[in-house]
Amino acid sequence: GDSVTQMEGPVTLSEEAFLTINCTYTATGYPSLFWYVQYPGEGLQLLLKATKADDKGSNKGFEATYRKETTSFHLEKGSVQVSDSAVYFCALNPPRGAGSYQLTFGKGTKLSVIP
Amino acid sequence: DTGVSQDPRHKITKRGQNVTFRCDPISEHNRLYWYRQTLGQGPEFLTYFQNEAQLEKSRLLSDRFSAERPKGSFSTLEIQRTEQGDSAMYLCASSLVLGNTEAFFGQGTRLTVV
Repeated sequence: GDSVTQMEGPVTLSEEAFLTINCTYTATGYPSLFWYVQYPGEGLQLLLKATKADDKGSNKGFEATYRKETTSFHLEKGSVQVSDSAVYFCALNPPRGAGSYQLTFGKGTKLSVIP
Repeated sequence: DTGVSQDPRHKITKRGQNVTFRCDPISEHNRLYWYRQTLGQGPEFLTYFQNEAQLEKSRLLSDRFSAERPKGSFSTLEIQRTEQGDSAMYLCASSLVLGNTEAFFGQGTRLTVV
């Protein structure tokens, strides 16, 4: 079945440091790929997405590129802020026509940014 | 607030009791999903509805779990004869069928079985 593997945390960075959170997936066909973020005490929010190979999703300074050849969707940000402290989840959705609409999530990576 | 609403936010129950959670999706959303999240794990899919029809169920959804969406609006998730292993955060999400199909999540119901 489908699966998502993301780097284990926690990750602690100083403000303005560069962030990479690795995510790889196993799925048939061309799934849609997502990054969700969960701030303390809040629900999951969609951060960015990509629906086909070589697409780049971006939002709030975060970026991720859909790499079919390496089955990866790594999250990056050039300069993190304290307000980016949260848990980040990589997820996939089966391709259209697969008859399934469930999201498969990774385990999450907790990011703490210190001033 | 027009987001996904879940009630209650927290529930503590004794083992063996039945519990029911409610989810109110975003009003125009046809699809509604239930997920379960345990500590240190990502959310795991339980089931989803399109309007009032339950179209997909995970193997995680044992016979003790039942979900309904009787009028295609709000949904309930019932757990009968709760066990300690049912302790988790239960998340609801909703989305449109066409156009922007992004899933919007509620804040969840945290269940503790003692």
